Amino acid sequence: EAQVTQNPRYLITVTGKKLTVTCSQNMNHEYMSWYRQDPGLGLRQIYYSMNVEVTDKGDVPEGYKVSRKEKRNFPLILESPSPNQTSLYFCASSLSTPSGGRNEQFFGPGTRLTVL
Amino acid sequence: LAKTTQPISMDSYEGQEVNITCSHNNIATNDYITWYQQFPSQGPRFIIQGYKTKVTNEVASLFIPADRKSSTLSLPRVSLSDTAVYYCLVLLNTGGFKTIFGAGTRLFVKA
Repeated sequence: EAQVTQNPRYLITVTGKKLTVTCSQNMNHEYMSWYRQDPGLGLRQIYYSMNVEVTDKGDVPEGYKVSRKEKRNFPLILESPSPNQTSLYFCASSLSTPSGGRNEQFFGPGTRLTVL
Repeated sequence: LAKTTQPISMDSYEGQEVNITCSHNNIATNDYITWYQQFPSQGPRFIIQGYKTKVTNEVASLFIPADRKSSTLSLPRVSLSDTAVYYCLVLLNTGGFKTIFGAGTRLFVKA
């Protein structure tokens, strides 16, 4: 089944304790992205990657790191989490060029992170 | 990167047609207009995408006037299960890359 998976789905942690949220896709997509979603703010892009070893900042990159060593994986790293990073996080992937006249991002199920 | 403006919320009743308009005054020549649907605690799901005039698929229609500064998502005969948040985006046709979702339009469908 074509899908984007994220782990963990739920995480409660404490300020300053480094954590990684994994994201993996099995569709051979070049493009991957991380978003966070907060009430009333919609989805805001954190980082995106156009291919292996190519990443760039989205709108809200502060406090986050990413890496793209393999095409299928795009982990999100919080080196020193703070309470303002409590949010719902989504990973997404898509082809780099439209297929069948559509350019569709496929989203993972989300990771709900709470930083105390 | 073109930003979009949508109504914050809309109400409808089952069986009605719902039209959600999105304004994107700064749309660029190579931008496509894309709509997503999101249910609570789920990732957004692609609905429809278009460049100009009208696009129709099995769930919606997308109307884009000649100047492309706005677009309208049309949902025919909505049901309770269409209650969700709808996002309008403009994207380069070469890939998602840097993407702005905005706050979306919260649609409530009543019985």
